[in-house]
Amino acid sequence: GNSVTQMEGPVTLSEEAFLTINCTYTATGYPSLFWYVQYPGEGLQLLLKATKADDKGSNKGFEATYRKETTSFHLEKGSVQVSDSAVYFCALSDPSTNAGKSTFGDGTTLTVKP
Amino acid sequence: DAGVTQSPTHLIKTRGQQVTLRCSPKSGHDTVSWYQQALGQGPQFIFQYYEEEERQRGNFPDRFSGHQFPNYSSELNVNALLLGDSALYLCASSWGTVATNEKLFFGSGTQLSVL
Repeated sequence: GNSVTQMEGPVTLSEEAFLTINCTYTATGYPSLFWYVQYPGEGLQLLLKATKADDKGSNKGFEATYRKETTSFHLEKGSVQVSDSAVYFCALSDPSTNAGKSTFGDGTTLTVKP
Repeated sequence: DAGVTQSPTHLIKTRGQQVTLRCSPKSGHDTVSWYQQALGQGPQFIFQYYEEEERQRGNFPDRFSGHQFPNYSSELNVNALLLGDSALYLCASSWGTVATNEKLFFGSGTQLSVL
């Protein structure tokens, strides 16, 4: 079955540091890949997505590239801010079935200190 | 435009009891998916409702059941509660049965504690 493995946290960085959160996946077919962010007390929000190999998703300074050869979708940001502190989830869905049924990683907690 | 709303926000039950959680989808959405998020883990797919029918189901026992109403709102019912059912229950809405994730909108969840 499908699965997503994320880098274990928590991750603590200083403001303006470079961020990488690793994500690898196992799936049949050609899944779509996503990063979600969850701020304290809030629901998940879609951060970015990529639907085919070599696609790069980007939003709010975050980027991730769909690497089929390494089955990876690592999240990066060049300069983090305190407001980026949140839990980040990598997820996949198989469009051939139904994208409402998504598989999530266990999340990585990011804390950015001033 | 209201997003996905869930009620109640918190709930405390005892083992063996039954619970009903409610979700109103985002305006214009007709599909509701339910997820269970245990502490420190990612959301796990429970099931999805479209046109008042269960369309897909994850690996959850029959104690978990649901319903969708003509106005697209949905309920999640859990019978014979176990301690392990303690979790954050998330509702996500979308449009259509082959929605892509960019159309998935999540509510803030219902925190269920089973004592």
